[in-house]
Amino acid sequence: GENVEQHPSTLSVQEGDSAVIKCTYSDSASNYFPWYKQELGKRPQLIIDIRSNVGEKKDQRIAVTLNKTAKHFSLHITETQPEDSAVYFCAASTEGSQGNLIFGKGTKLSVKP
Amino acid sequence: EAGVAQSPRYKIIEKRQSVAFWCNPISGHATLYWYQQILGQGPKLLIQFQNNGVVDDSQLPKDRFSAERLKGVDSTLKIQPAKLEDSAVYLCASSFGRGGSQPQHFGDGTRLSIL
Repeated sequence: GENVEQHPSTLSVQEGDSAVIKCTYSDSASNYFPWYKQELGKRPQLIIDIRSNVGEKKDQRIAVTLNKTAKHFSLHITETQPEDSAVYFCAASTEGSQGNLIFGKGTKLSVKP
Repeated sequence: EAGVAQSPRYKIIEKRQSVAFWCNPISGHATLYWYQQILGQGPKLLIQFQNNGVVDDSQLPKDRFSAERLKGVDSTLKIQPAKLEDSAVYLCASSFGRGGSQPQHFGDGTRLSIL
C-alpha cells in the first residue's frame, strides 16, 4: 500500500523567511496530493492540493510542486507570518472510490516574530 | 456553507466502557470518512461511506469499533469496549463526490481520553 514520508518533523523560521516542507510517496499510481494545516486543537484545513497532471500550483504565498518521476512533492510558504505557525500534513491518494488519503506524520512549523 | 459538525468535543471514559461519536457532514456530501488521529501523527482512515454503504473498512478494528450511516447523512462511530490505546482524536470528514481525488473537509473532532 501507499506510504508517505514527510520531512522535517519540526521547522522554525523567522517571520518573513520562506519555509519548505517535503514529502515522498511510494505508490506510483497516486495522483492527488493535498496539504492540510492544523492549528492546536482545531480541525485540519485544506490549504492547497495538486493533481498529477500539473507540476506546480500557487495560491498567494503558498505553492506546491510535484515531481512524479521522483515521487515527491513539496509545500512552499513565502513571506511567513506568525499566523502560519501550525502543523502541516501532506497526503496522497489514488483515483477511485477506495483511493483513500494516506497522511504523512506532520511538520510543526514555528514562525518567530 | 456550514462545515462538518461533530459531537461531543471531548469525552473521558474508563477502559472497557463504551463510547459513541456523532458526525453530520456538509450538506450534499455523499462521502463520509472517520479518521483516528493519535497525538503527534497524521490522521489514519478507519472507514469510508458512500451514501449509506461502506466503501472501505479495512482499517477498522471490527472486534471493538462499529460505524453506521443509516440514512446516508449523519453517522455514528462506536467503540465497545474501549482500550487505553484508543485515546486519540476522532475526526469526521466529508467530500462531495466519490474517489480519492475529491477534497475532504474535516470536522473539529472528538478528543477521547481513556483512563
